[in-house]
Amino acid sequence: EAGVAQSPRYKIIEKRQSVAFWCNPISGHATLYWYQQILGQGPKLLIQFQNNGVVDDSQLPKDRFSAERLKGVDSTLKIQPAKLEDSAVYLCASSLDGRPYGYTFGSGTRLTVV
Amino acid sequence: AQSVTQLDSQVPVFEEAPVELRCNYSSSVSVYLFWYVQYPNQGLQLLLKYLSGSTLVESINGFEAEFNKSQTSFHLRKPSVHISDTAEYFCAVSPSQGGSEKLVFGKGTKLTVNP
Repeated sequence: EAGVAQSPRYKIIEKRQSVAFWCNPISGHATLYWYQQILGQGPKLLIQFQNNGVVDDSQLPKDRFSAERLKGVDSTLKIQPAKLEDSAVYLCASSLDGRPYGYTFGSGTRLTVV
Repeated sequence: AQSVTQLDSQVPVFEEAPVELRCNYSSSVSVYLFWYVQYPNQGLQLLLKYLSGSTLVESINGFEAEFNKSQTSFHLRKPSVHISDTAEYFCAVSPSQGGSEKLVFGKGTKLTVNP
């Protein structure tokens, strides 16, 4: 089966600019996650979708971050405006039924804010 | 809430030597435990997992981990490493009940295998 697709792979922007990341999960996977991985740290969950509804966004900085999954398939994560501390790898993952042992991760988008 | 501590940020070893990557966790409820591996510029890949049953779990490429409930540990071991094992390894936990499927990761251990 095809894996979790993410684009772009790399992005460099200036602070205060906006940026968007795209994720296409494995076909049929109802649960989609966005994780932020800052250099030297483990991934941290930003938001979890079940189909097109939000299950957990408690760690999403809502003043600047937003995410949507309109048709319950692919998803977009946006940052506006970006700060230097947003430099990180943004990982998308999906699972069939939300079970943690069923996660498949994408290759991630590496964001550098200068 | 759960937390994970990986005691070593970097572990250098020589090829064919044994290695142990340490992981301790904290949780007020029962947990599932995982080890993920991340090769340079790639996403996370599941290496092995403990859900229930035998406390010793193995991966297809020679790694094993043992769940120790009394010590709240899930250390990863390999008796003889290869150059290709060079990567970053993340320990993670998730509650096994309560409906929250969120993975909580440690900070990672960078394993470097030298010739």
